[in-house]
Amino acid sequence: DIQMTQSPSSLSASVGDRVTITCQASQDISRYLNWYQQKPGKAPKLLIYDASNLKAGVPSGFSGSGSGTHFTFTISSLQPEDIGTYYCQQYDDLPRTFGPGTKVDIK
Amino acid sequence: EVQLVESGGGLVKPGGSLRLSCAASGLTFKNAWMTWVRQVPGEGLEWVGRIKSKTDGGTIHYAAPVKGRFTISRDDSKNMLNLQMNSLKSEDTAVYYCVTQVGVVTNAQPDWYFDLWGRGTLVTVSS
Repeated sequence: DIQMTQSPSSLSASVGDRVTITCQASQDISRYLNWYQQKPGKAPKLLIYDASNLKAGVPSGFSGSGSGTHFTFTISSLQPEDIGTYYCQQYDDLPRTFGPGTKVDIK
Repeated sequence: EVQLVESGGGLVKPGGSLRLSCAASGLTFKNAWMTWVRQVPGEGLEWVGRIKSKTDGGTIHYAAPVKGRFTISRDDSKNMLNLQMNSLKSEDTAVYYCVTQVGVVTNAQPDWYFDLWGRGTLVTVSS
């Protein structure tokens, strides 16, 4: 199975801060990577697909980059509504696997 | 409205069985590849398994922890996805989500992007 790791596991930042989360795959997954946001008590929501493509309707303050084994997810200016847990997920192979998540909250 | 609604969760004893269902509406269900994802409360997401559409072969794949105990099936006439769970263990305790892809991206396989999720149904395995 392809193992996904994320760092940090949690972060606390101020409103307006730039926030960056990294995701690493245990093998080359090209650009077959998604990013999801999950708010407490809710199902995850797809934000980014193919490593860097913003899903329609998702605010442009979210972005993704990377390929191979190293990926980055960025919130350009943290807003209160962005609090939640963010997960990366690979779809290069079965089983699909998710990173352990990064919990983001407001300082 | 495009939606997935899971049902069937509840409390079951270790070794017991439970059948989850997922009712789909607003999408062409027969063409959808359907996936189950679970989440232990307070923890991360785990892919459970996937069933392709019948036109794409209907192939089913399972995650190793559930293979041989869980069975995924679909009833396209009822727009329904099912998950039969047998020999349940305490580590199967989780919220189970029914998930699929409804957005169309050129050259994308139908289970690359999980852009439609149900609300989930909680399964608790405890004596």
